[in-house]
Amino acid sequence: EVRLVESGGGLIQPGGSLRLSCAGSGFTVTSHYMSWVRQAPGRGLEWVSLIYTDGRTKYADSVKGRFTISRDTSKNTLDLQMNSLRAEDTAMYYCARGVLGYTHGSRFDSWGQGTLVTVSS
Amino acid sequence: QSVLTQPPSASWTPGQRVTISCSGSSSNIGTNTVNWYQHLPGTAPKLLIYDSNQRPSGVPDRFSGSRSGTSASLAISWLQSEDEADYYCAVWDDSLNGVVFGGGTKLTVL
Repeated sequence: EVRLVESGGGLIQPGGSLRLSCAGSGFTVTSHYMSWVRQAPGRGLEWVSLIYTDGRTKYADSVKGRFTISRDTSKNTLDLQMNSLRAEDTAMYYCARGVLGYTHGSRFDSWGQGTLVTVSS
Repeated sequence: QSVLTQPPSASWTPGQRVTISCSGSSSNIGTNTVNWYQHLPGTAPKLLIYDSNQRPSGVPDRFSGSRSGTSASLAISWLQSEDEADYYCAVWDDSLNGVVFGGGTKLTVL
């Protein structure tokens, strides 16, 4: 059974850093393109970042230069290093698995339950 | 302001057919296929339609999708109370080089 479990969320002060992790089971993270998607309170889904199957990365303009997406092959996890956090980064962060056989795209066939990040002083 | 435009809300009664639109541009819907997600906040979003008009296994055939030009739509027939959720279109944008989501449509079943 495919499963994605996010962790690492919490309360952090503006300007701080946080590292999110998404543990995959039932599949190999590096075989799929993977993304982070967030939902701020009262707002819709917002794409944050994507890692291609070949390791290339893409970011939304709102997080470019502050967030870094990566994979840990030994742990089969997808990670998101978030630096210089702002109040507007407050959101539920979901990791999502891209469909097999493609290098990138907007089709995500499995999602985690999310981890909540709150940026506040 | 989302790159993809969806109506923010829709209200229909059980048994009816509802259509949710998603308007984009030549760099996204005009070039790439559209995916639709069903989401109840706090839960994992669920892929509902992929490649504009394909249903993953397990999704009832009451759900259908279409794409024409720079617009796409999701149709739900025989509306049921369990269909009450937020619906999002998503597509790869060749100009932004990333994924774009619509603003979402909150469907209320009266």
